[in-house]
Amino acid sequence: QVQLVQSGSELKKPGASVKVSCKASGYTFNNYDLNWMRQAPGQGPEWMGWINTSTGKPTYARGFRGRFVFSLDASLNTAYLQISNLKAEDTAVYYCARPSGGWSIFDSWGQGTLVTVSS
Amino acid sequence: DIVMTQSPDSLAVSLGERATINCKSSQSILYTSNNKNYLAWYQQKPGQPPRLLIYWASTRESGVPDRFSGSGSGTDFTLTISSLQPEDVAVYYCQQYYDSPLFGGGTKVEIK
Repeated sequence: QVQLVQSGSELKKPGASVKVSCKASGYTFNNYDLNWMRQAPGQGPEWMGWINTSTGKPTYARGFRGRFVFSLDASLNTAYLQISNLKAEDTAVYYCARPSGGWSIFDSWGQGTLVTVSS
Repeated sequence: DIVMTQSPDSLAVSLGERATINCKSSQSILYTSNNKNYLAWYQQKPGQPPRLLIYWASTRESGVPDRFSGSGSGTDFTLTISSLQPEDVAVYYCQQYYDSPLFGGGTKVEIK
């Protein structure tokens, strides 16, 4: 079955960087793009963008350009989200999610990675 | 940008009763060339990722109980839980995929 397994929780200081991983299994990795979502405490999910798992080309939503980087290691069936110059407002749960059938209908999600930014 | 507005923010329903959640988009998300509404519904329980329930506004995802149904077209959509069960306590989100994906603010469903 399809599984997306993310790395564990992170506690970082403002100004630091963090890299979250999302390892896919149960399907052909490069047949589906991978999307990233942010969910701040008490809020709904917010779409951050996606990475083309065939070409490695990332696409960022408005508001997630600059400090956010999507990357891949296709040999490991793993996608990464790196956030640099962390701010307190980056404190959130980050999810990777796989879309279904070529549309942004997200039928598989990672378990989420809590990133806490605090001095 | 399309804005998704859900109502109510929360509702409390007795076990076995109907729960109705509304979602309104700021512009039509009906693609006329294929007559499909680009709207999905998700359920999220505490500490879990969202779970896809409904897509194309009314198509139930495999494994989702048939007490969940979606309806509506254009700009106004509804998720109905026909007979609320204890395991349905959760936050429910609508999401449009007509444009860049965007989720509504969520509706918290509790037992009365």
